[in-house]
Amino acid sequence: DAGITQSPRHKVTETGTPVTLRCHQTENHRYMYWYRQDPGHGLRLIHYSYGVKDTDKGEVSDGYSVSRSKTEDFLLTLESATSSQTSVYFCAIGPRRDTHTGELFFGEGSRLTVL
Amino acid sequence: QKEVEQNSGPLSVPEGAIASLNCTYSDRGSQSFFWYRQYSGKSPELIMSIYSNGDKEDGRFTAQLNKASQYVSLLIRDSQPSDSATYLCAVRVSGGGADGLTFGKGTHLIIQP
Repeated sequence: DAGITQSPRHKVTETGTPVTLRCHQTENHRYMYWYRQDPGHGLRLIHYSYGVKDTDKGEVSDGYSVSRSKTEDFLLTLESATSSQTSVYFCAIGPRRDTHTGELFFGEGSRLTVL
Repeated sequence: QKEVEQNSGPLSVPEGAIASLNCTYSDRGSQSFFWYRQYSGKSPELIMSIYSNGDKEDGRFTAQLNKASQYVSLLIRDSQPSDSATYLCAVRVSGGGADGLTFGKGTHLIIQP
């Protein structure tokens, strides 16, 4: 178990409302990631963080923002949700601080439905 | 644009046979290669990693890497119904690991009892 908790696990919201997903890790990993997974597209990187207050954009960052005020928490915010953001969102951590082997470990996922 | 290609399947294999899953990648700078297993409705689970050309074996799983051909494969021996899942191939280009992995869309594997 990689010690990653995502919340909420399921959320239904309406178009135009703000949504924040939380990823909490207990492993003290430096790197954290947000991916979304959609049928026909696979897993795509939204944003990632390489330290407290250090974040960068991924492949599909438009419409999303992130924040990391402490090592254990990485927040993903949809400022104004749209139906195209209906997806399953996965948080991941890695690589391990000591070995830098590159593997990622995933949380359980957050299923978001935007009506 | 970094791309990772997999046949989406479904790939149907009889129980006890060898399942062979393939993956190609476009970026020659790719350094690390991973196979994830994902059951329906669950999160991806790392099952194999490989970093140098050749074969790497772990139990019933063997990962094969050919950097010259930009090709990665996963063999599952003595396939079991519990191996039925979607298998994701993932690659990492940068040495520092900051920008994560690029994933293929996955191959859906069905093991028929």
